[in-house]
Amino acid sequence: AQSVAQPEDQVNVAEGNPLTVKCTYSVSGNPYLFWYVQYPNRGLQFLLKYITGDNLVKGSYGFEAEFNKSQTSFHLKKPSALVSDSALYFCAVRDSISGGYNKLIFGAGTRLAVHP
Amino acid sequence: GAGVSQSPSNKVTEKGKDVELRCDPISGHTALYWYRQSLGQGLEFLIYFQGNSAPDKSGLPSDRFSAERTGGSVSTLTIQRTQQEDSAVYLCASSLRGTSGTDTQYFGPGTRLTVL
Repeated sequence: AQSVAQPEDQVNVAEGNPLTVKCTYSVSGNPYLFWYVQYPNRGLQFLLKYITGDNLVKGSYGFEAEFNKSQTSFHLKKPSALVSDSALYFCAVRDSISGGYNKLIFGAGTRLAVHP
Repeated sequence: GAGVSQSPSNKVTEKGKDVELRCDPISGHTALYWYRQSLGQGLEFLIYFQGNSAPDKSGLPSDRFSAERTGGSVSTLTIQRTQQEDSAVYLCASSLRGTSGTDTQYFGPGTRLTVL
């Protein structure tokens, strides 16, 4: 079955420290992977995606993610966290089942808390 | 408009009533998606529209749910005879094409539905 796992419900980081939000996936075929962020009472905002090419993808607000095929992971990273990065982060993968490729399958979300 | 818009932002209704939720996609986007975000189920796909093609309704949870897209633009999600388990945030997204699976889906702010 196709799925996305975000093993941490919450990640706590001190401001200025590097942050990592973990994501692993299980799909058949080529994985198309996405990260979104959700601030309170807001919709999802697109951060970055991996389709093909370089394993390190750079996105909005200084975020980047590393695609690792052997570990089936797509962890989100930022070198220096800001308090304003505190939000709910979702990893998603395109459904690769024939006829279903328009759907995104989301992880459960990871709440990032950056402390001053 | 600049982004995906949804209305109303909040809807409180009584069990058994019908509700209509509206989505206005980004201008020029041919693909439109509805998702539901709830505490118990996370983010789940509901329905997808692409141009004039028949919609992919595979994610609709019951026949009380229906959606239409008029003129290839605005979409309305209708829930008949609402139940308390329908309480959730309903998110709409649009993308430029949607046929390749690589397009980024851009989300609206959502409609928070509360069924009393």
